[in-house]
Amino acid sequence: QVQLVESGGGLVKPGGSLRLSCAASGFTFSDHYMTWIRQAPGKGLEWVSYITNSGGSGTTYYADSVKGRFTISRDNTKNSLYLQMDSLRAEDTAVYYCGRGNWGLDVWGQGTTVTVSS
Amino acid sequence: DIVMTQSPDSLAVSLGERATINCKSSQNVLFSSNNKNNLGWYQQKPGQPPKLLIYWASIRAAGVPDRFSGSGSGTDFTLTISSLQAEDVAVYYCQQYCSTPYTFGQGTKLEIK
Repeated sequence: QVQLVESGGGLVKPGGSLRLSCAASGFTFSDHYMTWIRQAPGKGLEWVSYITNSGGSGTTYYADSVKGRFTISRDNTKNSLYLQMDSLRAEDTAVYYCGRGNWGLDVWGQGTTVTVSS
Repeated sequence: DIVMTQSPDSLAVSLGERATINCKSSQNVLFSSNNKNNLGWYQQKPGQPPKLLIYWASIRAAGVPDRFSGSGSGTDFTLTISSLQAEDVAVYYCQQYCSTPYTFGQGTKLEIK
């Protein structure tokens, strides 16, 4: 069935790095734009980044809050989406979701939790 | 950035009654090239990821019950649940995907009265 599974979250100190992964199955991954959304504890949803499909040349877009620190990428041979997070701050603490698409995310993963704390 | 403002922040409705959630954008989210409103609605239940309910402001996503409907154009949008069911208790978010960053509303918490 169509599925997205995130991994790679954890506890990291301020200034540290993490790489999140999102494994896709059940659909032609390379056909779809992919998006990262995050949700801080007890807060609402925040759009983080998206990457276009192969036809869009893998063009990337970022929220200002993460621009220059986070890098979205994809490996269509592995049906995987990534989010490299560097120079992490306390305010990056959140559940990170990957979603299929960008104009209406019709498939979501269960999320992976990132905690930035000393 | 386009600011999305939902109202109310919380809402309590009796079972079987209508629930209405509003979403206002600070800029027009109507794409002139395709005459579509770039707005979606999501439902999030506790401990779960969001679920897409509505896209292009009024198109129900696959498998979404027809008691959910979306309307509006330009800057003012509405999500309506025609007859509230117990399983509809959740937080509802609107999101514009007209221009990056693709901002969300703050959420509306829907409860049973």
